[in-house]
Amino acid sequence: NAGVTQTPKFQVLKTGQSMTLQCAQDMNHNSMYWYRQDPGMGLRLIYYSASEGTTDKGEVPNGYNVSRLNKREFSLRLESAAPSQTSVYFCASSETNTGTFIADTQYFGPGTRLTVL
Amino acid sequence: LAKTTQPISMDSYEGQEVNITCSHNNIATNDYITWYQQFPSQGPRFIIQGYKTKVTNEVASLFIPADRKSSTLSLPRVSLSDTAVYYCLVGDSYSGAGSYQLTFGKGTKLSVIP
Repeated sequence: NAGVTQTPKFQVLKTGQSMTLQCAQDMNHNSMYWYRQDPGMGLRLIYYSASEGTTDKGEVPNGYNVSRLNKREFSLRLESAAPSQTSVYFCASSETNTGTFIADTQYFGPGTRLTVL
Repeated sequence: LAKTTQPISMDSYEGQEVNITCSHNNIATNDYITWYQQFPSQGPRFIIQGYKTKVTNEVASLFIPADRKSSTLSLPRVSLSDTAVYYCLVGDSYSGAGSYQLTFGKGTKLSVIP
């Protein structure tokens, strides 16, 4: 039982390049999330998916797209990377989709450290 | 959206009890209060959650007064391994309007001193 896994762990991109961050969970959770964390800051929600086939914007969605490929996998895509997207990206999952997310424990992956030059 | 306020940082000596208070004046009736812990280069980890009064688990205690406008995370007899950032989260029910925000804030950086 690996929990939440993320690939890659590290990535360096040039401005304008594209890439996809992968996330998978093996806990049969319904909800999945993507966050970014900048130095000295808390986590900010980019997108979330309440269930397979649904996605919604979070606090900072601009410049990102997501795909909930199936119940296990939730990917984050940067179509044209910018230096402002240099950050650590965390994926998380939680069990329920009843609507009261905050009462729901989130399990986080180890993060992807992305640098855009 | 309920907003939280925590101290930016705290220092404590090993073996002491540490109390971190979080203010959440706009907490809604259905909101829960959840605390997470984050070590450097790792994702946050759930510590404890409560709605009112007191909750205790093997790691910490959470004290919530009757008005629920604040909460206090209590870590008994901290060790060096408790050095981390602690986040207080207060819920906002899913609006169903296609947008949801979960705010971690900057958290409280706890430094445990030998």
